[in-house]
Amino acid sequence: DARVTQTPRDKVTEMGQEVTMRCQPILGHNTVFWYRQTMMQGLELLAYFRNRAPLDDSGMPKDRFSAEMPDATLATLKIQPSEPRDSAVYFCASGNTMGTEAFFGQGTRLTVV
Amino acid sequence: SQQGEEDPQALSIQEGENATMNCSYKTSINNLQWYRQNSGRGLVHLILIRSNEREKHSGRLRVTLDTSKKSSSLLITASRAADTASYFCATDKVGGGSNYKLTFGKGTLLTVNP
Repeated sequence: DARVTQTPRDKVTEMGQEVTMRCQPILGHNTVFWYRQTMMQGLELLAYFRNRAPLDDSGMPKDRFSAEMPDATLATLKIQPSEPRDSAVYFCASGNTMGTEAFFGQGTRLTVV
Repeated sequence: SQQGEEDPQALSIQEGENATMNCSYKTSINNLQWYRQNSGRGLVHLILIRSNEREKHSGRLRVTLDTSKKSSSLLITASRAADTASYFCATDKVGGGSNYKLTFGKGTLLTVNP
């Protein structure tokens, strides 16, 4: 049963700390998305990759956020330093080729205190 | 920025009734998709309709697309309590080539009362 795996499921951290979220996309998928979900803003696209290359990260605050795909089985989203306004659920999704469905992970619920 | 906007924001109905949710978008698209999210969990794909299609069915779901009005509707027939969830439309953008972006609206919260 292929699925997108995200770790950790929940993270509570203090303001100023570095946070790393990880995502294992479905094997063979060539597109990876990072989304942030909050009550106020809904689902925001932060960044996405095609064949491990970053295509668009315009939705991401560049000064503190970074996204990478060190290899085809791992995508990471880092926040350094974290701030309380970063508290949200972060979703990773993967897909294959243009115009097809995206498969979502269960999300990382981040709380910055 | 959101491409799609769902309407209504919240909908409450009785089991057995039909539920209709609408989505409007701003720019031309290749396709439009509907997703479902149960509280606190990841989104699950329901159905995809391409820009050259006008209507599509899948089980109790019926989706329509009107590209001239830049709008879509999702109809769930004979609703069940288990259909209670948030429903999102998602669009990609024409002209993106291999760089298409999948962007979501803010969703409609559907509550089906037993």
